[in-house]
This record gives sequence, structure tokens and C-alpha cells, in this order.
Amino acid sequence: QKEVEQNSGPLSVPEGAIASLNCTYSDRGSQSFFWYRQYSGKSPELIMFIYSNGDKEDGRFTAQLNKASQYVSLLIRDSQPSDSATYLCAVSGAGGTSYGKLTFGQGTILTVHP
Amino acid sequence: KAGVTQTPRYLIKTRGQQVTLSCSPISGHRSVSWYQQTPGQGLQFLFEYFSETQRNKGNFPGRFSGRQFSNSRSEMNVSTLELGDSALYLCASTSQPAGAVDTQYFGPGTRLTVL
Repeated sequence: QKEVEQNSGPLSVPEGAIASLNCTYSDRGSQSFFWYRQYSGKSPELIMFIYSNGDKEDGRFTAQLNKASQYVSLLIRDSQPSDSATYLCAVSGAGGTSYGKLTFGQGTILTVHP
Repeated sequence: KAGVTQTPRYLIKTRGQQVTLSCSPISGHRSVSWYQQTPGQGLQFLFEYFSETQRNKGNFPGRFSGRQFSNSRSEMNVSTLELGDSALYLCASTSQPAGAVDTQYFGPGTRLTVL
């Protein structure tokens, strides 16, 4: 079992729709959870992070965390063609052997078509 | 504030050679992490440095090494290059704020091609 798994893509949604990206993790000791966006040929760009159970909203983006289910998701409302990218879920632990280490999922390719 | 910078951006080497990549973190950030990104394996953690000390290391062979200088700039070195080392090498910096979430900010990466 992979440490961090994302829903298989690619995901295609029409412009204006809600895109839902999912991620599960295996380490119950995981502390913080991140969503990065990576455009083709570019480096990952941080969208948002979450560390408490529940929802966290930032503009059109909402991250949801359920530690009991070891599940984190990202919702993108009013999707735009410029949101087309690979979305990476990343998880960090708590100190010790987790210093500076993010464990990434394989990414989900999102395409928003006009 | 300037972002993370990496040099060079592109590099072509041949098998058996060695290579050194450089990373300058965001001003004030003391932790630098390195990652390798390939289409098959995705993003994988190489190592992390904080205050010139390697605190964490991923599951890579000893050919991969790094160091950090007193100004927090970091270098990674790959010796005896293999074809499989072709990848995008990313560094990320974080400020390590006490009691807050460490968020890593990535540089543009160095694209290494081994022929």
C-alpha cells in the first residue's frame, strides 16, 4: 500500500463546475496536509494546507480533513481552464524522522474544458 | 521577498560523471529539503538540512549527498551518474516556525538529463 494515494485521473470537468480531488494516507501519525498545484514543466506551487479536522476555505478552494478516515480532499469551485494542472497531495509527520519530509501522492491531472 | 532559486536550471551530463546543484532558500528560511521528481516515481524526498546539519534522509543511494552552508544555501551532489538519475531536482525551503505548520516553498527546479 502506498503511503499517500490520490484518486486516479485524469479528471475532466466543465468550466464553472466543482472539481473534487481526493487523497488517503496510511500513517496515522501524520500531522499536516498540503495541496500543491503543478503546471506542466513547472515546480509545485502551494495552494493550501490543513491540520485540523474539518473544512478550510480559501477563495474558490476548500480543503477537507478527516483524520479518523485518514482522508483529505480538495474542492475547487467555479473551475476555470487556468486550474488545469496536476494536483499533488502531500503529508508531513511530526518531527524526528519526518523533519523536512513531505510524502507526496502520485498526483491527479485535472483538465477544465470551456 | 524573493523566492527559492536553483541553479543551473538545465543540465546535461553523461553516465559516470558527477554533478552539483545549488539552491538558495527564501531569505530567513533555515531548512532546505531536496526532492527528485520522475514520471515513474513521482516526487521523492532526498534529504533535509537545517543549520548546516542533515536531519533527515530519504531512501536513496550514497551517490546522492548534500550540504548546507552558514547562509542556508544548500548544494546537492550526485556522483557516478546513471541514466536513471535523469529527473527534475527540486529544493524547497521552510522557515521552521515554532508551533506553526511548516509549509515548504519550492524552487523552479533543475532539469538533469543523463546521456
